Amino acid sequence: AIQMTQSPSSLSASVGDRVIITCRASQGIRNDLGWYQQKPGKAPKLLIYGASSLQSGVPSRFGGSGSGTDFTLTISGLQPEDFGTYYCLQDGAYPLTFGGGTKVEIK
Amino acid sequence: EVQLVESGGGLVQPGGSLRLSCAASGFTFSDHHMDWVRQAPGKGLEWVGRSKDKSRRYSTEYVASVKDRFFISRGDSDNSLYLQMNSLKTEDTAVYYCARVSSSSGSDRLDYWGQGALVTVSS
Repeated sequence: AIQMTQSPSSLSASVGDRVIITCRASQGIRNDLGWYQQKPGKAPKLLIYGASSLQSGVPSRFGGSGSGTDFTLTISGLQPEDFGTYYCLQDGAYPLTFGGGTKVEIK
Repeated sequence: EVQLVESGGGLVQPGGSLRLSCAASGFTFSDHHMDWVRQAPGKGLEWVGRSKDKSRRYSTEYVASVKDRFFISRGDSDNSLYLQMNSLKTEDTAVYYCARVSSSSGSDRLDYWGQGALVTVSS
């Protein structure tokens, strides 16, 4: 199975900060990667698919980039409602695999 | 409006069986792959398996840890997805989510999720 290594595991940032979360795949997955946000007690929410395509309704401060093995989620201008845990998910090969998650806290 | 509603969770003893259901509405169920994803208490997300769309004859894929114990099926007449879980282990304790998969430009994405169903495996 493809392993997804996500970093950092947690971070604390201020409103307005630029936040960067990375995911590295153990083998190339083209651009078959999505990013999901999960708030406590809630189902995950899709933010980015195909490594860089913004899901409808998601604010444009969320952006994704990368291809092959290295991917990045950028939040440009962190907002109070952006707290939660962020996961990457590779959908390039079965079984699909998630990164370990990044917990984002607002200072 | 797309809706996914899971049911069937509960407490089961190790070695027992349980079937989860996911009632889907607001879209053409047979046109979409459907996934199960779980989350153990305080842990991250784990993809469990997939029922592919009708064009792929509803074939299935599973993560190794549940293969030959868990089985995904569909009821097209009632737009429902099922997860039959057998030989349950304590490590299967988790919230189980069903999710719709959408595909475009060669990219799959889990774009709608249910609220989750808690399965607790304990004696």
